[in-house]
Amino acid sequence: SQTIHQWPATLVQPVGSPLSLECTVEGTSNPNLYWYRQAAGRGLQLLFYSVGIGQISSEVPQNLSASRPQDRQFILSSKKLLLSDSGFYLCAWRAGQGYEKLFFGSGTQLSVL
Amino acid sequence: RKEVEQDPGPFNVPEGATVAFNCTYSNSASQSFFWYRQDCRKEPKLLMSVYSSGNEDGRFTAQLNRASQYISLLIRDSKLSDSATYLCVVHPGAGGTSYGKLTFGQGTILTVHP
Repeated sequence: SQTIHQWPATLVQPVGSPLSLECTVEGTSNPNLYWYRQAAGRGLQLLFYSVGIGQISSEVPQNLSASRPQDRQFILSSKKLLLSDSGFYLCAWRAGQGYEKLFFGSGTQLSVL
Repeated sequence: RKEVEQDPGPFNVPEGATVAFNCTYSNSASQSFFWYRQDCRKEPKLLMSVYSSGNEDGRFTAQLNRASQYISLLIRDSKLSDSATYLCVVHPGAGGTSYGKLTFGQGTILTVHP
């Protein structure tokens, strides 16, 4: 069966520090991968998605970036965090085109102070 | 108009009650619809897909009205464990650049009390 791992679960970082969140999927190949952010009391906002290694599409302008160095690995990064980057970050995957259901990782609660 | 709109609630109901949530979507070409459940500080989990003919899963019933562009979720005989945020989710359609760009509503908060 497929599983998705995301870490860390919680993170407290000072403004201006770098960020790296990692997500890996097991039990499937060539998944579509996604990073979402959920601000407190808000809906999910799609940040990045990837349909293959090295292929990243950004949905919103921001100081975050994403990379996919391996088929089942998706990384969210920032060189310098802003206060507004605080939120609940969720990695998700789906099997590919035609499979609309998304499955989420357990999320990372990021607090930028 | 938001792509997907939900009444944020909160809905506070006693155990055993029946509660219904509605959700409207703006893109008439939307193809797939889902309800997800999210517990506090947890990831959303798929509750059920919504089919044109309506579908039921135990105490949960989902309906789709394409003409009016809304979907609904009915929960019968509410349990304390049903307390959560329920997210309405819409997929724009297959092919093209949709790439699984599910659009999430802001969620409806449900609290079931004894």
